[in-house]
Amino acid sequence: DAMVIQNPRYQVTQFGKPVTLSCSQTLNHNVMYWYQQKSSQAPKLLFHYYDKDFNNEADTPDNFQSRRPNTSFCFLDIRSPGLGDAAMYLCATSRDRNAAYEQYFGPGTRLTVT
Amino acid sequence: AQTVTQSQPEMSVQEAETVTLSCTYDTSESDYYLFWYKQPPSRQMILVIRQEAYKQQNATENRFSVNFQKAAKSFSLKISDSQLGDAAMYFCAYRRSPHETSGSRLTFGEGTQLTVNP
Repeated sequence: DAMVIQNPRYQVTQFGKPVTLSCSQTLNHNVMYWYQQKSSQAPKLLFHYYDKDFNNEADTPDNFQSRRPNTSFCFLDIRSPGLGDAAMYLCATSRDRNAAYEQYFGPGTRLTVT
Repeated sequence: AQTVTQSQPEMSVQEAETVTLSCTYDTSESDYYLFWYKQPPSRQMILVIRQEAYKQQNATENRFSVNFQKAAKSFSLKISDSQLGDAAMYFCAYRRSPHETSGSRLTFGEGTQLTVNP
């Protein structure tokens, strides 16, 4: 009954080599989020999509981009990964942006940069 | 900017006993939500309990309850009758007014790693 699916669960990429992380959802939610969680730190929101409307956080580096081709899928693209981008990347969804609506998280993709 | 602080990086509890995890936050808003999320090892984060700031009554979900002190900006989680399956990282989180795009953001604390001893 997986509701928020992230692929792959583990990703290894080389310094500077573009990488794409994938998220899909079966909940038909309007909003999809990407969080970055570095080791022993709190998750930090990178950006979110409200339907097709992209909303970037002010401090998200330009190196991070996102695409949402349809309701079910959302991708995180890291154009030139650096060693500092090694982290767990969490995808989440919610029915709406209203704070009353729960955010459902995927299991995450752990990115290693060599 | 809103901040969330969890002052206990690690906690442990004996099975069947009660443990309380602390959380404080800083905000100038009057309308917001507070959450506790549980992140088991290698598994997804799940919502444990939620509290609306305008509600004075503390939220309860089975063995989980909160002590919400709005004036003190404190939001602690109490786990009663602790079970081995409760072992996880627990994150306190804040979400501001729902009427603006920035209301989408969950601001998390640093987390408390809970160990349950048999």
